[in-house]
Amino acid sequence: EAQVTQNPRYLITVTGKKLTVTCSQNMNHEYMSWYRQDPGLGLRQIYYSMNVEVTDKGDVPEGYKVSRKEKRNFPLILESPSPNQTSLYFCASSPSPDYGYTFGSGTRLTVV
Amino acid sequence: QKEVEQNSGPLSVPEGAIASLNCTYSDRVSQSFFWYRQYSGKSPELIMSIYSNGDKEDGRFTAQLNKASQYVSLLIRDSQPSDSATYLCAVSYFGNEKLTFGTGTRLTIIP
Repeated sequence: EAQVTQNPRYLITVTGKKLTVTCSQNMNHEYMSWYRQDPGLGLRQIYYSMNVEVTDKGDVPEGYKVSRKEKRNFPLILESPSPNQTSLYFCASSPSPDYGYTFGSGTRLTVV
Repeated sequence: QKEVEQNSGPLSVPEGAIASLNCTYSDRVSQSFFWYRQYSGKSPELIMSIYSNGDKEDGRFTAQLNKASQYVSLLIRDSQPSDSATYLCAVSYFGNEKLTFGTGTRLTIIP
């Protein structure tokens, strides 16, 4: 089944403790992206990647890192999480921006 | 700042009627336009894409694009209770791999 898989689905952590949210797609898509979704603010792009080793900032990159060492994987790293990073995070992939994104199931992160 | 604007709703429509959802965007060089549906607690799901001026139909859904007015809309005919969801408009800008979303319109179909 074609899908984007994120892990974990839920995560509660403490301020400052480094964490990684994993994302993997099995569709051989070139493009991958991370979004966060907050009430009243909608989906905002954090980072995106056009291919292996090619990444760029989205609209809200501060406090996040990404890497794209393999085509299928695009992990999101929070080096020092803060409470304002409490949010619902989605990973997505696409064969090209013209085809729209397929989204993962989401990761609900709470930073206390 | 490129913007995508939607009326947040809620929009209530009787079952069987036509639901009309609207979206405006700020950047004239926008290339690709999408409508996503998001059920409560679920991830966004792509339902329509449109790239050229005019109408595009897919089953009960019709997307309409007017680049001169910077306006894209989604019509849902014969609305069903299962259409109750938040509908997200998204725009991809020329030469930019970003996909920018509006904040969504919450649609409720009343049986």
